[in-house]
Amino acid sequence: QQQVKQSPQSLIVQKGGISIINCAYENTAFDYFPWYQQFPGKGPALLIAIRPDVSEKKEGRFTISFNKSAKQFSLHIMDSQPGDSATYFCAASLPQGGKLIFGQGTELSVKP
Amino acid sequence: ETGVTQSPTHLIKTRGQQVTLRCSSQSGHNTVSWYQQALGQGPQFIFQYYREEENGRGNFPPRFSGLQFPNYSSELNVNALELDDSALYLCASSPGSANYGYTFGSGTRLTVV
Repeated sequence: QQQVKQSPQSLIVQKGGISIINCAYENTAFDYFPWYQQFPGKGPALLIAIRPDVSEKKEGRFTISFNKSAKQFSLHIMDSQPGDSATYFCAASLPQGGKLIFGQGTELSVKP
Repeated sequence: ETGVTQSPTHLIKTRGQQVTLRCSSQSGHNTVSWYQQALGQGPQFIFQYYREEENGRGNFPPRFSGLQFPNYSSELNVNALELDDSALYLCASSPGSANYGYTFGSGTRLTVV
């Protein structure tokens, strides 16, 4: 019940296309859902985050869509660029804090 | 404003040895968390320290231990190293005991041979 399941494992998108990564969770007590971007040899960096009382959040080319009834959330990267090539992780946490539970990651490759 | 810094960046140890990894938190952050990231996997929570007290622990054995110092820097100690302990160890700091506003360091790559 503490898991966050992420798909796909890998994704190849053409430059200018839309990248979509999906995550699903079971625990309805989760109250914070961030997305992280990780480049090789670096730690994860926070991209964008959402709380369950909001259905969508947009920051630049990055949008989170959140479906509370389906217990799913997704990251959309518009106008994908080669510089977006990285591994993306969704995560979730409980209100009392203490830990982030990460998905398995999606390796995104944007082809020029 | 400096970010989270970790040392060393890479480390090779022999099975059975002990290791200490270090982390300096971002300025103004009083909470430090440690994560283990195996190759091709998402980070797994080890534990969190808030104002020098352990504030949560994941499913890791007691040979994984930690400390937080008055300046909010932190150490992760692993005793009796096993081959499966080979991973990237990430430190993250945040301005409070909740998980919002996490900043991760670049990690320490530990290889156990």
